[in-house]
Amino acid sequence: EAQVTQNPRYLITVTGKKLTVTCSQNMNHEYMSWYRQDPGLGLRQIYYSMNVEVTDKGDVPEGYKVSRKEKRNFPLILESPSPNQTSLYFCASSFRAGGYGYTFGSGTRLTVV
Amino acid sequence: AQSVSQHNHHVILSEAASLELGCNYSYGGTVNLFWYVQYPGQHLQLLLKYFSGDPLVKGIKGFEAEFIKSKFSFNLRKPSVQWSDTAEYFCAVMSSNTGKLIFGQGTTLQVKP
Repeated sequence: EAQVTQNPRYLITVTGKKLTVTCSQNMNHEYMSWYRQDPGLGLRQIYYSMNVEVTDKGDVPEGYKVSRKEKRNFPLILESPSPNQTSLYFCASSFRAGGYGYTFGSGTRLTVV
Repeated sequence: AQSVSQHNHHVILSEAASLELGCNYSYGGTVNLFWYVQYPGQHLQLLLKYFSGDPLVKGIKGFEAEFIKSKFSFNLRKPSVQWSDTAEYFCAVMSSNTGKLIFGQGTTLQVKP
């Protein structure tokens, strides 16, 4: 089944403890992206990647890192999480730019205490 | 800068009422436009998309949208809503050069049975 898989679905952590949220797609998509969703603010892009080893900042990249060493994987790294990073995170992938929509993962609800 | 504006933040309708959700975008290049739906507790799903051709686009579940270039608009419509359409709806624009997808703030639709 074609899908974007994120793990974990739920995570509670403490301030400053490094964490990684994994994202994997099995559709051979070139484009991958991370979003955070917050009430009243909609979805905001954190980072995106147009291909292996090609990444760029989105609208809210501060406090996050990404890497794209393989086409299928696009992990999101929080080196030192803070409470303002408590949010719902979505990974998404697209075949390429143009008339192709993004396919979204099921989301990761992160709470930083 | 690219941006997407959704006019209605919260809409309440009775079943069988007609729906129109407004979306305006700001982008200078070739646009690809999308409407996504997020049912309670779920991830985003693609409703419909426009990238060229007929400006009236039909999507899943009886939804349609009309691209009006002169008004920079891409409004979502449905002639008769159902209780199961209760969800959050997001308009989005994608840059055909970078693949960056930008969302509006979302509209929460509540359909009363």
